[in-house]
Amino acid sequence: EAQVTQNPRYLITVTGKKLTVTCSQNMNHEYMSWYRQDPGLGLRQIYYSMNVEVTDKGDVPEGYKVSRKEKRNFPLILESPSPNQTSLYFCATGLAAYEQYFGPGTRLTVT
Amino acid sequence: GQQLNQSPQSMFIQEGEDVSMNCTSSSIFNTWLWYKQDPGEGPVLLIALYKAGELTSNGRLTAQFGITRKDSFLNISASIPSDVGIYFCAGLSNNDMRFGAGTRLTVKP
Repeated sequence: EAQVTQNPRYLITVTGKKLTVTCSQNMNHEYMSWYRQDPGLGLRQIYYSMNVEVTDKGDVPEGYKVSRKEKRNFPLILESPSPNQTSLYFCATGLAAYEQYFGPGTRLTVT
Repeated sequence: GQQLNQSPQSMFIQEGEDVSMNCTSSSIFNTWLWYKQDPGEGPVLLIALYKAGELTSNGRLTAQFGITRKDSFLNISASIPSDVGIYFCAGLSNNDMRFGAGTRLTVKP
């Protein structure tokens, strides 16, 4: 079954404690991306990756890091989370940017 | 960064009515996309538009790519209760994806 999985689905953490949200896909997609969704703002792209070892900043990359060491995984790293990074995060994958399949989302709360 | 202006923000309609929502931008996009998001889930792609002026249908959904490449609309005909959700437009240019804030649709049986 074609899947985009994110872990964890829910996370409550404290300011400054490094965390990683994983994203994995089994569809052999080259394109992967991360978004955050906030009320009234829709989805905003954080980072995207066209292929292994190729990553680019999206609209709101500050405070986030990503890596793409293998095709199926695209983790999102928050080195020092802050309360303004409390949000709903979505990973998406696709053969290209115009056909993205979204994961189930990770709800992050930073206190 | 430039986000898209999507309207209306919300709509309350009776089952069977037609719905129209649109998206505008000050920037040109090469591709326009429409997504639907159900509660607790990620957005699902409904329609993708690749050429200015293109009109595309997917069942009861019809979307158009504006000729200026700065706008798009989505129509839903004969709405049903399962159409409830949040609809997002998205514009894509050079792998840079921008989303509208969404239109929340409520359908009363």
